[in-house]
Amino acid sequence: NAGVTQTPKFQVLKTGQSMTLQCAQDMNHNSMYWYRQDPGMGLRLIYYSASEGTTDKGEVPNGYNVSRLNKREFSLRLESAAPSQTSVYFCASSEGDSYYGYTFGSGTRLTVV
Amino acid sequence: AQSVTQLDSQVPVFEEAPVELRCNYSSSVSVYLFWYVQYPNQGLQLLLKYLSGSTLVKGINGFEAEFNKSQTSFHLRKPSVHISDTAEYFCASSMDSSYKLIFGSGTRLLVRP
Repeated sequence: NAGVTQTPKFQVLKTGQSMTLQCAQDMNHNSMYWYRQDPGMGLRLIYYSASEGTTDKGEVPNGYNVSRLNKREFSLRLESAAPSQTSVYFCASSEGDSYYGYTFGSGTRLTVV
Repeated sequence: AQSVTQLDSQVPVFEEAPVELRCNYSSSVSVYLFWYVQYPNQGLQLLLKYLSGSTLVKGINGFEAEFNKSQTSFHLRKPSVHISDTAEYFCASSMDSSYKLIFGSGTRLLVRP
């Protein structure tokens, strides 16, 4: 019962470094999402992929890129990390649009120093 | 623009007391509404959702919520809370057939013995 798996769970980066957050789901879901969670701000959508081969911007896409590698995997890349990107990042998946509800991973805590 | 407001950042309550967590949404079109729960160091889990039909929605762990279109509210209630209900609760909304789920800032429920 893996559900949505995110790696790594923790990461510390120096300003300007790059990294990729990995996400994989084993529920045969069509849609996948990346959110960031900051204190007092709830979760904000960074990018989403409605189906394999498509990606779209969410509320806060600047500074990020994504790749829907296949139906199972959706990665988030920070090309040049900034302290403002210190956050907890959550990946989620769903059968389709929001009607179905989302299944979330356990998160990646990223600190940029 | 679509938005979700959770007025209470923290709600302390004694064990076995009733609780209501408030949520207001803004949208001029039909919406889907959700409540998610986040236990410490975990991802979010879906508690319940309103899509259409009956305005009273029942979810897991004894929680329920009532959709009130005239007041644009979707408050979460539980008649008797347990220590294990201590968590952060997020209200979220999306427009019909949208992939973009918009979250409120969260309410931390603290249940005391």
